[in-house]
Amino acid sequence: KQEVTQIPAALSVPEGENLVLNCSFTDSAIYNLQWFRQDPGKGLTSLLLIQSSQREQTSGRLNASLDKSSGRSTLYIAASQPGDSATYLCATEVTTRGGSEKLVFGKGTKLTVNP
Amino acid sequence: KAGVTQTPRYLIKTRGQQVTLSCSPISGHRSVSWYQQTPGQGLQFLFEYFSETQRNKGNFPGRFSGRQFSNSRSEMNVSTLELGDSALYLCASSFGTASYEQYFGPGTRLTVT
Repeated sequence: KQEVTQIPAALSVPEGENLVLNCSFTDSAIYNLQWFRQDPGKGLTSLLLIQSSQREQTSGRLNASLDKSSGRSTLYIAASQPGDSATYLCATEVTTRGGSEKLVFGKGTKLTVNP
Repeated sequence: KAGVTQTPRYLIKTRGQQVTLSCSPISGHRSVSWYQQTPGQGLQFLFEYFSETQRNKGNFPGRFSGRQFSNSRSEMNVSTLELGDSALYLCASSFGTASYEQYFGPGTRLTVT
């Protein structure tokens, strides 16, 4: 059974700092890994999707890496801004017993960027 | 292109009642998945529908059910509500095969009193 862990649960940094969020998973048989952002009381916004055959994806100030062999992914945020404050979730897409796919989520890292 | 929409956005129900939540996927998407989010358990998979068929169900009691219509819109029903059913219910849509990105709606906040 896939388990996804995100450490730390909360992180507070000053504006402008570069930071790394961590995600680890127990089963390397994944189709892909997605990073999401969730603002308080809102739905999830997809940030980056890394296919299982890829090592990293970049979008603007965000860079996500994937190392299936070690069961780890990182989300790097460059030059953080107060608007980056949110909860960041990672999720692995796995096959279910029914043959379809589902996302297994970590519990998230709550990021606060202080002006 | 319009995103995933969920209605209603907020609901307050009392124990023992039932509730129906609705999700309209992105045009062209045939898969709709439902997730429950609570502070203690995080995001947990409820079930997934593809072309009107339930392909998989998570570890939730039979009080939680759903269906999908021919236009890919999906409804989720919870009967005999319990206090512990209070949560944010999120639906996600995708093209329905592995490796396609999933897009989430804003969620329905259900409060059971």
